[in-house]
Amino acid sequence: NAGVMQNPRHLVRRRGQEARLRCSPMKGHSHVYWYRQLPEEGLKFMVYLQKENIIDESGMPKERFSAEFPKEGPSILRIQQVVRGDSAAYFCASSLDRGSDTQYFGPGTRLTVL
Amino acid sequence: AQTVTQSQPEMSVQEAETVTLSCTYDTSESDYYLFWYKQPPSRQMILVIRQEAYKQQNATENRFSVNFQKAAKSFSLKISDSQLGDAAMYFCAYRNWDSNYQLIWGAGTKLIIKP
Repeated sequence: NAGVMQNPRHLVRRRGQEARLRCSPMKGHSHVYWYRQLPEEGLKFMVYLQKENIIDESGMPKERFSAEFPKEGPSILRIQQVVRGDSAAYFCASSLDRGSDTQYFGPGTRLTVL
Repeated sequence: AQTVTQSQPEMSVQEAETVTLSCTYDTSESDYYLFWYKQPPSRQMILVIRQEAYKQQNATENRFSVNFQKAAKSFSLKISDSQLGDAAMYFCAYRNWDSNYQLIWGAGTKLIIKP
């Protein structure tokens, strides 16, 4: 009964490189949320996706960030041309459907930009 | 816009005693959910307890209980018989009932358990 899985757990990139973060939701869950946590802060919502659809991307930076949740495979959060300010923990959560109140979280990916 | 405030950056409690973590929120909605999540040093975000705003009865989960005061927009977490494994960051979070499904988070309270 696997929970939400994220990989990699730790990712190191140099400025200007691309970062790809993966999230596999809980079995049976078709809704995925991405959050970012800066050091010593709470989480900030980035994007909410359903299979093949972006439902709400109001928390996504306008440039360099994109997310997808294809019909098959994990959800991907992509950050192009990373900068030091992108260093953070990125958490993925999933829920059964749109109306489900509870989001279950993965272990997070800690991105470090050198 | 909704906001969540945790005014205690850090709290400490003696093992086996009781501690209360504070959370206040602001919303114009009448129906919503409130949550407490725990983030231990492993950084995994773990759901501790949830409350539906329409329910007057306070939620409880074993040693964890909440004091939900809807009129005051307050949602405190009480941990009874504190254990060393309770040491973690605790986050309060809010979600609308049927729209805008993102969770809105407080800044967190670091709970230290003294042996």
